[in-house]
Amino acid sequence: KQEVTQIPAALSVPEGENLVLNCSFTDSAIYNLQWFRQDPGKGLTSLLLIQSSQREQTSGRLNASLDKSSGRSTLYIAASQPGDSATYLCAPRNTGGFKTIFGAGTRLFVKA
Amino acid sequence: DTEVTQTPKHLVMGMTNKKSLKCEQHMGHRAMYWYKQKAKKPPELMFVYSYEKLSINESVPSRFSPECPNSSLLNLHLHALQPEDSALYLCASSQDPDRGFASGANVLTFGAGSRLTVL
Repeated sequence: KQEVTQIPAALSVPEGENLVLNCSFTDSAIYNLQWFRQDPGKGLTSLLLIQSSQREQTSGRLNASLDKSSGRSTLYIAASQPGDSATYLCAPRNTGGFKTIFGAGTRLFVKA
Repeated sequence: DTEVTQTPKHLVMGMTNKKSLKCEQHMGHRAMYWYKQKAKKPPELMFVYSYEKLSINESVPSRFSPECPNSSLLNLHLHALQPEDSALYLCASSQDPDRGFASGANVLTFGAGSRLTVL
């Protein structure tokens, strides 16, 4: 059974800092891994998807990497802004089914 | 259209009521999902439909009854719920059911959710 762990659970940083969010998963048999953002009480917004054959993906100030063999992914946020404050969720999608399993998330607060 | 639309946004119901949550997408996606999310917890998978057929039921109590009338629409019928069922219910869709290498590009797209309160 896939288990996903995200570290840290919460993070508070001043505006402008570069930061790294970590995700680890126990079952490396995945099709892809998505990073999502969730604002309080809202739905999930997809930020980046990395396919199992890829090592990284970039979108604007965001860069996500994937090391499937070691069961790790990181989300790098450059030059953080107050608008980046949200919960960030890591979600690998297992092979052999339709299951995307979520980590508990990292709650990020960026201070102005 | 790149959205998943969920209605209603908020629903309050008593334990004896019957209500439904609705989800709609017009992206041509053939897999649709229901997730349940409690406060400060990650989303948990409930049901998956693939080509309008139920593919996964994660041992969800029968008081939750999913329905997929066509490829664009997904319903969740609610009956005799308990207060602990209060949560955010999220619908999602993806382009195709996982079939081999090409499925790695399937993005899971979520709706804004339906906030359910059971009194």
